[in-house]
Amino acid sequence: KAGVTQTPRYLIKTRGQQVTLSCSPISGHRSVSWYQQTPGQGLQFLFEYFSETQRNKGNFPGRFSGRQFSNSRSEMNVSTLELGDSALYLCASSLGGNLKTEAFFGQGTRLTVV
Amino acid sequence: AQSVSQHNHHVILSEAASLELGCNYSYGGTVNLFWYVQYPGQHLQLLLKYFSGDPLVKGIKGFEAEFIKSKFSFNLRKPSVQWSDTAEYFCAVKGPLTGGSYIPTFGRGTSLIVHP
Repeated sequence: KAGVTQTPRYLIKTRGQQVTLSCSPISGHRSVSWYQQTPGQGLQFLFEYFSETQRNKGNFPGRFSGRQFSNSRSEMNVSTLELGDSALYLCASSLGGNLKTEAFFGQGTRLTVV
Repeated sequence: AQSVSQHNHHVILSEAASLELGCNYSYGGTVNLFWYVQYPGQHLQLLLKYFSGDPLVKGIKGFEAEFIKSKFSFNLRKPSVQWSDTAEYFCAVKGPLTGGSYIPTFGRGTSLIVHP
């Protein structure tokens, strides 16, 4: 069974640009969550999608957005990039969002904003 | 809302030393608890999880964790660490229900370095 796949693995962007990251969940998983990981801050929750609907959103500005397609693949977009957006962006998929389901993580996309 | 605290941000040990990493959470209702590990250059993977029952849970690679409800804690332990345990460790807690789902809240992580 293939794991969670994130593309691209690395990105370098300039301040003010926008970027789109992609996540393909494990087959059969309908919930996709996105996290921002920075040193010392751990994993900060961005948003969760389930069956193409955003079900939860973290405390991030509106420049961060996402969507989910009918095949459960998800994309996140960051517009007007800032230096502080440099981070590892992780995608996690699970069967659903209930209490007992385990989240499976991709290797992440390392975004560097210069 | 839920918050998760990991008290040790950086831990340096020699091989064969014992390990205990602290994790405390704030929400007093029903929770499920997880420890994840992130080896250098690899994705986060599950070490162990607690849903209910025996509060002492065993995970992969000789790790175990104890859930103490009265202390809102879920500490990770390993009796004898190896160089290959060098990694970042994250505690995660699910609960309460938010927006129709349980979103895991993660601690800030503990960086463990084991010297051979």
